[in-house]
Amino acid sequence: GAVVSQHPSRVICKSGTSVKIECRSLDFQATTMFWYRQFPKQSLMLMATSNEGSKATYEQGVEKDKFLINHASLTLSTLTVTSAHPEDSSFYICSAPTGLNQPQHFGDGTRLSIL
Amino acid sequence: EDQVTQSPEALRLQEGESSSLNCSYTVSGLRGLFWYRQDPGKGPEFLFTLYSAGEEKEKERLKATLTKKESFLHITAPKPEDSATYLCAVQAHTGGFKTIFGAGTRLFVKA
Repeated sequence: GAVVSQHPSRVICKSGTSVKIECRSLDFQATTMFWYRQFPKQSLMLMATSNEGSKATYEQGVEKDKFLINHASLTLSTLTVTSAHPEDSSFYICSAPTGLNQPQHFGDGTRLSIL
Repeated sequence: EDQVTQSPEALRLQEGESSSLNCSYTVSGLRGLFWYRQDPGKGPEFLFTLYSAGEEKEKERLKATLTKKESFLHITAPKPEDSATYLCAVQAHTGGFKTIFGAGTRLFVKA
């Protein structure tokens, strides 16, 4: 089946640090990938749609300068949380569909903790 | 506005006690409805895709059904390992790849 790998699985860093999270589709090409944020006991909140070779599309209320997305190849999208602060601590998950009408396949998430 | 509502928010069952989870949706032209399972600290794991009313899919103790307004995830004789959050999601014809998720149902199965 389709596999999406997300790295790192856990990050703990000081306030003001920038953190990069990678999302890779291992056995398929993904022109589109999605980035979600999830708070404890809540559902997935879509942050942005990552488009290969073009700018990401951000959901309302998500700061594009804070959450930089790069989708430089058909198998890799990165999310960089710039100058992270404690309120950015959360569980970040990426996903990619294998095609239209097809389900999303998710990475295992990144637990980000900002001290 | 496209929307997905899941109920109940949480469900506690005894092992072997069958039940159903509900997913109600409103969407401008359903492209597909998806069920996922999410364990704590993990990304969602895909379970089923349903495309049209009347369709049913089964996998072990789980069975998903679809009508024009809602989907059910039936759990037959659940085991403690079925404990997880179950997410329902839809794609609309007008939404491209975008998937709209419900808030999920947290299932607890006690031995």
